[in-house]
Amino acid sequence: GENVEQHPSTLSVQEGDSAVIKCTYSDSASNYFPWYKQELGKRPQLIIDIRSNVGEKKDQRIAVTLNKTAKHFSLHITETQPEDSAVYFCAAGILTGGGNKLTFGTGTQLKVEL
Amino acid sequence: SQTIHQWPATLVQPVGSPLSLECTVEGTSNPNLYWYRQAAGRGLQLLFYSVGIGQISSEVPQNLSASRPQDRQFILSSKKLLLSDSGFYLCAWSRGGTNQPQHFGDGTRLSIL
Repeated sequence: GENVEQHPSTLSVQEGDSAVIKCTYSDSASNYFPWYKQELGKRPQLIIDIRSNVGEKKDQRIAVTLNKTAKHFSLHITETQPEDSAVYFCAAGILTGGGNKLTFGTGTQLKVEL
Repeated sequence: SQTIHQWPATLVQPVGSPLSLECTVEGTSNPNLYWYRQAAGRGLQLLFYSVGIGQISSEVPQNLSASRPQDRQFILSSKKLLLSDSGFYLCAWSRGGTNQPQHFGDGTRLSIL
């Protein structure tokens, strides 16, 4: 089955700096790559996603890049703010039986320090 | 707009007791539904998913089962809970079809004593 590895597990940055989180996946059939942000004790919330026919997608301070050949994708957050502090999860999705099945990475604890 | 409801928010159960967690979705028809478990400080593990009424796919062998008695209702059950069943259980939904985002409920924090 699919295996998703995520690095780093923890990341501390100064406010205003950029943060980059990287993920690799194993199954070349995966074609959907969402990123979720989870604050302590709350639900994961989708922040951005990318499909395999696109190499890069940007939404304000957040961008995601995908390299299908190398089977890795990354989340980039620019001009980080304290409210960006949370756990971020990447996932790789594969279509199966009419539904998309997601395999998640183990998460990155991002701390934005003042 | 679509909303997803999960209850209860927290649950404390003794070992060997039964379990029933419920999830309902509003504002959409024929959604794909998912149950995940999140251990403390870990990622999300897919337990079950369903593409329609009565259609359940199990991802990992375990002490739990799932059912979908109605189009927008998904239930996670156990006949006898184990200590290892403790965790944060999340229900999610997506539209049917390719590459649709999954949206999560608020989760149930289950503690087994």
